[in-house]
Amino acid sequence: DAGVIQSPRHEVTEMGQEVTLRCKPISGHNSLFWYRQTMMRGLELLIYFNNNVPIDDSGMPEDRFSAKMPNASFSTLKIQPSEPRDSAVYFCASGVSNYGYTFGSGTRLTVV
Amino acid sequence: GQQVMQIPQYQHVQEGEDFTTYCNSSTTLSNIQWYKQRPGGHPVFLIQLVKSGEVKKQKRLTFQFGEAKKNSSLHITATQTTDVGTYFCAGSGNRDDKIIFGKGTRLHILP
Repeated sequence: DAGVIQSPRHEVTEMGQEVTLRCKPISGHNSLFWYRQTMMRGLELLIYFNNNVPIDDSGMPEDRFSAKMPNASFSTLKIQPSEPRDSAVYFCASGVSNYGYTFGSGTRLTVV
Repeated sequence: GQQVMQIPQYQHVQEGEDFTTYCNSSTTLSNIQWYKQRPGGHPVFLIQLVKSGEVKKQKRLTFQFGEAKKNSSLHITATQTTDVGTYFCAGSGNRDDKIIFGKGTRLHILP
């Protein structure tokens, strides 16, 4: 089991550019979460999917953020256009309904 | 909305001393989960508590869930340098799978 796989591990981009973060959950897991972590705000839940369907996106900061899960093995988080305040570590996590979620290694995003 | 508060924010202890972090929710939880994040790493699931008053142990770690299912604690006995990291509690309400994380307690061990 390779665990939750996120790519890229690091991303440096210029303000205004589009950024796409990718996540491959563990096979068989039916819940998928996107979190953002900063020193100031801690771990913030952005959006979560259950059986590929977005259930709660109330944590998505604004319309510049969008997330998709076209199938059970892939999800993306897109920021367009990116801003310096979006700099953070973005984690994807997957699990089986409400028991112990497995986190990926994260994507460290820096927007300059 | 649901909020999970965690204290203290930071804790420095001498190696061998005990450590406790506390978690409080504004609403009744269906379960509480605990995670550990090493510096530069990602959160790693430790345990889940479901029942009112439940107590679980993992070696030197003792986890408790309050009777009202609104608070929890993690106690580490005789800390070791390998315990360094940030400990998060995460609570889930009754309606869905969404889990809300506390801000975490960063544990630093003094040699």
